[in-house]
Amino acid sequence: NAGVTQTPKFRILKIGQSMTLQCTQDMNHNYMYWYRQDPGMGLKLIYYSVGAGITDKGEVPNGYNVSRSTTEDFPLRLELAAPSQTSVYFCASSWPPDRAQGAFFGQGTRLTVV
Amino acid sequence: KNQVEQSPQSLIILEGKNCTLQCNYTVSPFSNLRWYKQDTGRGPVSLTIMTFSENTKSNGRYTATLDADTKQSSLHITASQLSDSASYICVVSARSGGATNKLIFGTGTLLAVQP
Repeated sequence: NAGVTQTPKFRILKIGQSMTLQCTQDMNHNYMYWYRQDPGMGLKLIYYSVGAGITDKGEVPNGYNVSRSTTEDFPLRLELAAPSQTSVYFCASSWPPDRAQGAFFGQGTRLTVV
Repeated sequence: KNQVEQSPQSLIILEGKNCTLQCNYTVSPFSNLRWYKQDTGRGPVSLTIMTFSENTKSNGRYTATLDADTKQSSLHITASQLSDSASYICVVSARSGGATNKLIFGTGTLLAVQP
């Protein structure tokens, strides 16, 4: 079982560059999320999706965009990278949040913007 | 303001010893509370979930407690092993009234188990 797969695992970007963080899950979950984790801080929700074709903003959406064309995939787009976007990014998927299983997280993408 | 605070920030224990991690929250309306384990360089993995009516739940050597009146939870690890070295994150779910509940993450307790 692959679970939640994120690519790439590491990336260095120059200020102003763009990139897409890929996320795919094979558990047929409707809910998918993107979080960022800064050192010493809790995870912050960037965007989430409750199903294909539906996305919504989380706590810290500025500078990011998402799309959800299929149930499996939920890519995160950074259009103009800034040093403040240096962080570890986690994609997650789940059944409706009250289910016992909780969210399944990918292994993370460590992004550095220089 | 919805907040989740964890203590201690970090903890070092010897292999085989027990330890207890604390989580205090000010989240309303409360839906449920989960403890996650995050190994270095990996995503968090769910350990337990507790709803309003549950006081204690165990998962192997992990036992979580919840006091909904005082808004406190603890995670007790028994007979620690080297593989328990990780960050333990308390996550409280608040009913948002929308399509999905809002998850509030604590900053985690970094546990190091030494031989």
